[in-house]
Amino acid sequence: SAVISQKPSRDICQRGTSLTIQCQVDSQVTMMFWYRQQPGQSLTLIATANQGSEATYESGFVIDKFPISRPNLTFSTLTVSNMSPEDSSIYLCSVSGRTVGTDTQYFGPGTRLTVL
Amino acid sequence: QKEVEQNSGPLSVPEGAIASLNCTYSDRVSQSFFWYRQYSGKSPELIMSIYSNGDKEDGRFTAQLNKASQYVSLLIRDSQPSDSATYLCAVKVGSGGSNYKLTFGKGTLLTVNP
Repeated sequence: SAVISQKPSRDICQRGTSLTIQCQVDSQVTMMFWYRQQPGQSLTLIATANQGSEATYESGFVIDKFPISRPNLTFSTLTVSNMSPEDSSIYLCSVSGRTVGTDTQYFGPGTRLTVL
Repeated sequence: QKEVEQNSGPLSVPEGAIASLNCTYSDRVSQSFFWYRQYSGKSPELIMSIYSNGDKEDGRFTAQLNKASQYVSLLIRDSQPSDSATYLCAVKVGSGGSNYKLTFGKGTLLTVNP
């Protein structure tokens, strides 16, 4: 596995603002994934981010709302833009490939976002 | 739409009993299956993976896979209160390499009563 950190761990934001969440891994990984988990729900994949290419978004998620960066093999950011209360959720990054193995995913601790 | 279904729960068992968690999946070509445990307020933690038909044991945990029935289960023997968590079934979808993702079930909340 790997040590994965996310910043911030939690935040309370105002409607209409944007928040950038960082995900840092202590070793090189091929793939980084961003999920959303709303209260009492399972995980919904937002997008997959591979280093050196554009992120691949799942149905219902668009780049303008959730821009993602993946500048290197250990780091990614997810921005939640123009937030509304419906964006209140836990946002999780996960990693796969290279030093952590290719066949599954390991999760960071999550970012708890509340939008007022 | 490739789906992963889990028994709805919540599931409550007494301490020391066997907890049985079930999962079915719709994508017949899926080859890799995972169980994650998620404590309240925490992120998912991988506890078991299984790739071949049959049973795979790891301590008190046994994963069972039946690809013909598109069914995967997790048995927890000698359940402990510390096993109380939500258990998520995940199925790998895609061809691997840089082109795959996990599809998660909704999870089953397990409570082990002392």
